[in-house]
Amino acid sequence: DAGVIQSPRHEVTEMGQEVTLRCKPISGHNSLFWYRQTMMRGLELLIYFNNNVPIDDSGMPEDRFSAKMPNASFSTLKIQPSEPRDSAVYFCASSRTTTNEKLFFGSGTQLSVL
Amino acid sequence: DAKTTQPPSMDCAEGRAANLPCNHSTISGNEYVYWYRQIHSQGPQYIIHGLKNNETNEMASLIITEDRKSSTLILPHATLRDTAVYYCIVRVEGNTPLVFGKGTRLSVIA
Repeated sequence: DAGVIQSPRHEVTEMGQEVTLRCKPISGHNSLFWYRQTMMRGLELLIYFNNNVPIDDSGMPEDRFSAKMPNASFSTLKIQPSEPRDSAVYFCASSRTTTNEKLFFGSGTQLSVL
Repeated sequence: DAKTTQPPSMDCAEGRAANLPCNHSTISGNEYVYWYRQIHSQGPQYIIHGLKNNETNEMASLIITEDRKSSTLILPHATLRDTAVYYCIVRVEGNTPLVFGKGTRLSVIA
């Protein structure tokens, strides 16, 4: 099992540019979560999906953030336009169901917006 | 908001047991206690969870007090690789995601 795969591992961009983060969950997992981690705010849940349907996006900071899950094996988190305060590590996680206690996290994407 | 209180940091000598406390005085009857850890530059990793009985697996033991207002995660023989931030989370086992607090930074010292 390859685990949750995120890409890119690192992303450096300039303010105002569009950023797309990608996630491939573990095969057979039906729930997918996007978290953001900063020193100041810790790990924050942004949005999660169940069976490709967004269940709760109340953690998405503002309209510049959007997430999609077009199929069971792929999800994207897009920031447009990006701002320096978006700099953080973005983690994707998956589980068999939203009721399952075991979340499996990817290695994260380190985003730096200059 | 996280519903748990943990010390911000702890040290433990290599080879000794690491006992990480967590207070969750407002825990409800249907809320479980979960423990995850995050090693530097990695995503969080599930360790163990329980409702009211003590639990043990290959990684750790979880001791929950009888009133369920606190718990302790025990790493029986800590190694340098156990240096990480440990998160204690309470959660209803249902359609609710994990909410992480600040955790305890455990440093295992040789």
